[in-house]
Amino acid sequence: QSVLTQPPSVSGAPGQRVTISCTKSSSNIGADYDVHWYQQLPGTAPKLLIYGDNNRPSGVPDRFSGSKSGTSASLAITGLQAEDEADYYCQSYDNRLGGVLFGGGTKLTVL
Amino acid sequence: EVQLVESGGGLVQSGGSLRLSCAASGFTFSNYWMSWVRQAPGKGLEWVANIKQDGGEKYYMDSVKGRFTISRDNAKNSLYLQMNSLRAEDTAVYYCARDRVGFIGPNDYWGQGTLVTVSS
Repeated sequence: QSVLTQPPSVSGAPGQRVTISCTKSSSNIGADYDVHWYQQLPGTAPKLLIYGDNNRPSGVPDRFSGSKSGTSASLAITGLQAEDEADYYCQSYDNRLGGVLFGGGTKLTVL
Repeated sequence: EVQLVESGGGLVQSGGSLRLSCAASGFTFSNYWMSWVRQAPGKGLEWVANIKQDGGEKYYMDSVKGRFTISRDNAKNSLYLQMNSLRAEDTAVYYCARDRVGFIGPNDYWGQGTLVTVSS
């Protein structure tokens, strides 16, 4: 079984930098697929934040950035703002399962 | 402007059926893979199924295989999810989402979701 593991929660003060990790675990290391990140504000649909490991869609502030190394990916948010308080999900593909995977989600609290 | 509008959710008894629809506008629907993603109350996102541009390829998560069927009508710019033999664990908000490139993600546009509640 392949899963994407995220920390349940992270927090930071306004202006600070936080990172959210996404670790892929699998008993069979197969092809390497891109990791994507989504932001879900309370009561709303998810919004694509980062695609292809480190690309921002148009309109996403450059305070958000993505990176990947081996089987781990990270989302970094700099200059934390109150409106960044949301749930964040990573996503990738597993060719053994033949389907898309989401991480369990990370709740970001801005202190 | 890309818009995805889901409909068809509601309350259904365990073992029952429901058909969800997603009306797409603002883009050439027939050029894109499309997905259904669900979110149980208070839980995380869960990919359900996706379908190729011409409907010729379909993929499902294991727990819905044989019970759910994804389909599309490109002439009507519409995506569907036929859900049969519903279980309490299928209770969730179901989102329709566009696949930006192919079937491996990401999903660049999402609808507002439609709530499916399965009572036991």
